[in-house]
Amino acid sequence: DTEVTQTPKHLVMGMTNKKSLKCEQHMGHRAMYWYKQKAKKPPELMFVYSYEKLSINESVPSRFSPECPNSSLLNLHLHALQPEDSALYLCASSQDTGSSYNEQFFGPGTRLTVL
Amino acid sequence: AQTVTQSQPEMSVQEAETVTLSCTYDTSESNYYLFWYKQPPSRQMILVIRQEAYKQQNATENRFSVNFQKAAKSFSLKISDSQLGDTAMYFCAFMVGNFNKFYFGSGTKLNVKP
Repeated sequence: DTEVTQTPKHLVMGMTNKKSLKCEQHMGHRAMYWYKQKAKKPPELMFVYSYEKLSINESVPSRFSPECPNSSLLNLHLHALQPEDSALYLCASSQDTGSSYNEQFFGPGTRLTVL
Repeated sequence: AQTVTQSQPEMSVQEAETVTLSCTYDTSESNYYLFWYKQPPSRQMILVIRQEAYKQQNATENRFSVNFQKAAKSFSLKISDSQLGDTAMYFCAFMVGNFNKFYFGSGTKLNVKP
């Protein structure tokens, strides 16, 4: 299985809602990532988990809260978002750090709209 | 600081022709990796090709090849025999050594015309 899956595909939420994005991979990868992508722009790194520990937080607002319950799952909890947070949220995984096989495999993304 | 620059926001090519997308980067590191990713409209981002900086030989993957000029910090992607399915946004990406962080260029939108 060489796939990263993300649910839901689309999400519409109000500014007072709490929701979660989910990401799953079964490739045995030990590094997982959350990116935010605006239209016609490159992905912007938000968080990196390495061996289930948060290793990089790119100064993301606290209304985004990542969680890595196990090596296959990555969640992004959303609370009190703003309309400017509307974007495509991409999950990715890679084998691990320090490996030659370090390309990132991307999921299809969750299209988030904040009203 | 690490930067990646793609100077061509948009390009067009006729089907079956060859096109080259440019990418330059800046780093003081010696151990790094370079990638080209493709993101078709409303579809998943996938890896096209990768290059290790310590390898002098240019990487090739079927119709895709790179021209890696380490001294010039240039990493261009050549697509031969362009196909309609090659229509996509192409991102050049750079990763330093053992770190997980990717640095992406701003992207080049490639349109393959029939």
